Amino acid sequence: DIQLTQSPSSLSASVGDRVTITCRASQGISTSVAWFQQKPGKGPKSLIYGASSLQSGVPSKFSGSGSGTHFTLTISSLQPEDFATYYCLQYNSYPFTFGPGTKVDIK
Amino acid sequence: QVQLVESGGGVVQPGRSLRLSCAGSGFTLSSFLMHWVRQAPGKGLEWVAVISSDGSNKNYADSVMGRFTISRDNSKNTLYLQVNSLRPEDTAVYYCTRGGLDFWGPGTLVSVSS
Repeated sequence: DIQLTQSPSSLSASVGDRVTITCRASQGISTSVAWFQQKPGKGPKSLIYGASSLQSGVPSKFSGSGSGTHFTLTISSLQPEDFATYYCLQYNSYPFTFGPGTKVDIK
Repeated sequence: QVQLVESGGGVVQPGRSLRLSCAGSGFTLSSFLMHWVRQAPGKGLEWVAVISSDGSNKNYADSVMGRFTISRDNSKNTLYLQVNSLRPEDTAVYYCTRGGLDFWGPGTLVSVSS
């Protein structure tokens, strides 16, 4: 199975900060990575697919990049509604696997 | 608009069974792969199973293989997850999600406890 790691596991940031989250795969997975945002008590929300394609309706402050084994999610200017937990997912092969998550909270 | 609504969760004893359902609306379910994903309390997301659009192909996580069965009834726009031989570690919110994992339901809670 393909393992995903995320770093950092948590971070504290201020409104307006630029935030970058990293996801690394245990083997090459091309660009078969998606990113999700989850707020407490809610289901996940899809942000990015294909490593860098923005899901419909998602604001352009979110961006993704990477290929192979190294991927990043960037939030260009953090807003209060962005404080949440973020997960990467690999869908290159079954079983799909999620990263352990990165919690973004307010400094 | 696209909606997915899960149901069928509850509190069950170890070893018992449940059937979870996911009703889709606002789109033609028969055109999409469908997945189940779960999340244990306070933990991360775990992919559980997938079924092809016509139901002919299925894949499962190792942790549920042989105990869980994914199925669908496209005439009813509904996805199912039969969960058997439940264990305490199966306690989680179970989400259904469309092929590209672009839309998710609110989830249904399964709690396995004696």
